[in-house]
Amino acid sequence: EPEVTQTPSHQVTQMGQEVILRCVPISNHLYFYWYRQILGQKVEFLVSFYNNEISEKSEIFDDQFSVERPDGSNFTLKIRSTKLEDSAMYFCASSPSGTPRTYNEQFFGPGTRLTVL
Amino acid sequence: AQSVTQLDSQVPVFEEAPVELRCNYSSSVSVYLFWYVQYPNQGLQLLLKYLSGSTLVESINGFEAEFNKSQTSFHLRKPSVHISDTAEYFCAVKGDTDKLIFGTGTRLQVFP
Repeated sequence: EPEVTQTPSHQVTQMGQEVILRCVPISNHLYFYWYRQILGQKVEFLVSFYNNEISEKSEIFDDQFSVERPDGSNFTLKIRSTKLEDSAMYFCASSPSGTPRTYNEQFFGPGTRLTVL
Repeated sequence: AQSVTQLDSQVPVFEEAPVELRCNYSSSVSVYLFWYVQYPNQGLQLLLKYLSGSTLVESINGFEAEFNKSQTSFHLRKPSVHISDTAEYFCAVKGDTDKLIFGTGTRLQVFP
């Protein structure tokens, strides 16, 4: 069964460093998402991406964050200068095309735990 | 804007006992409602969803949830739980955009 994969499973970095979290969505999916969960808090939407551009982003997704689909398979989240408060579990998700667009099941990866020291 | 409240952060229960995990939401628009489950070291998996039609929806592994519009609730129930149901359960809503709005999750711990 196809699944979303994420690497690494755990990333430790120093405050101020850049990190790139990687995701391989399901191969025929066209919509991609990043969510995060700070320990003990809600899973929060960060950004959605379709047709090589951001379709929606939350207030959390400021200029320190960027997303990219560098090739036909990877979807990345970059944090330019990490802060302590960026420590969280980051989930990637993808969904297929189709109508109605407002319902496409989102398939989630296992997450990357980011620890900023 | 939408929001989701899961009042119970942890629910301990013995095997074969019934369980209910509570979820309440608020929204100014019509919503789709979801329950996701996360087993240890795995991603979020869709357990069941309410889109329209019958207010009672069921999953293949015995869970069910009922959409109650007047109480703005979507509680998850199972009449008899198994050890293997031990996991984190997340309620989520989707309004008129693609993003999912999640609750804080409920950890279901099933004891033998």
